[in-house]
Amino acid sequence: QSVLTQPPSASGTPGQRVTISCSGSSSDLGSNTVNWYQQLPGTAPKLLIYADIQRPSGVPHRFSGSRSGTSASLAISGLQSADEAEYHCAAWDGSQNVYVFGTGTKVTVL
Amino acid sequence: EVRLVQSGAEVKKPGESLTISCQGYGYGFNGFWIAWVRQMPGKGLEWMGRVDPSDSYVDYSPSFEGHVTISVDESINTAFLQWSSLKASDTAMYYCARPLGNSGYEYYFDYWGQGTLVTVSS
Repeated sequence: QSVLTQPPSASGTPGQRVTISCSGSSSDLGSNTVNWYQQLPGTAPKLLIYADIQRPSGVPHRFSGSRSGTSASLAISGLQSADEAEYHCAAWDGSQNVYVFGTGTKVTVL
Repeated sequence: EVRLVQSGAEVKKPGESLTISCQGYGYGFNGFWIAWVRQMPGKGLEWMGRVDPSDSYVDYSPSFEGHVTISVDESINTAFLQWSSLKASDTAMYYCARPLGNSGYEYYFDYWGQGTLVTVSS
């Protein structure tokens, strides 16, 4: 089962913009939309972005997503200390009929 | 309010069996699949498989097929994850989650359980 590739860490100072990449293949990101989950320390993941760019109700506009080809990215603008968390990308893999997650990126606010 | 409520933490010895559960509240349980996701200590998320409560159909990730059993009892709105013989490497947090659809662009988890920590140690 393949996984999506993310950088292990990212960081920024309060107010900065941070971008996290997510790299996949033709059968996952190349064929289906990407979803992003935020996991605060010691808690269950929470849906942050779905269908590439959509934000569930209650998610601040500071969070935005995009996808092109077999890659996707999550941007956090106006970084806040409350954004310190692990971020996971994910997508459906139509060739294996499985849901694949990224390797996860820990965001630190300096 | 939609909620997925999981059973409590477990401490087991290698070779023992275990079943953990996930009960759905606040929505039509039969209308949505339930998936199980593993998170080993300090690691990322892994999709283990899913069950359709309407007909008990189960899909497994190739990485987990044969190692766990996923089932459902729709009469009590509950999905289960079962091991017949635990190993130390099964030590992890296990989450259940509800996807909106069954594949493709609709497959994302809008609701998650709180997690069940399984510790396997002699």
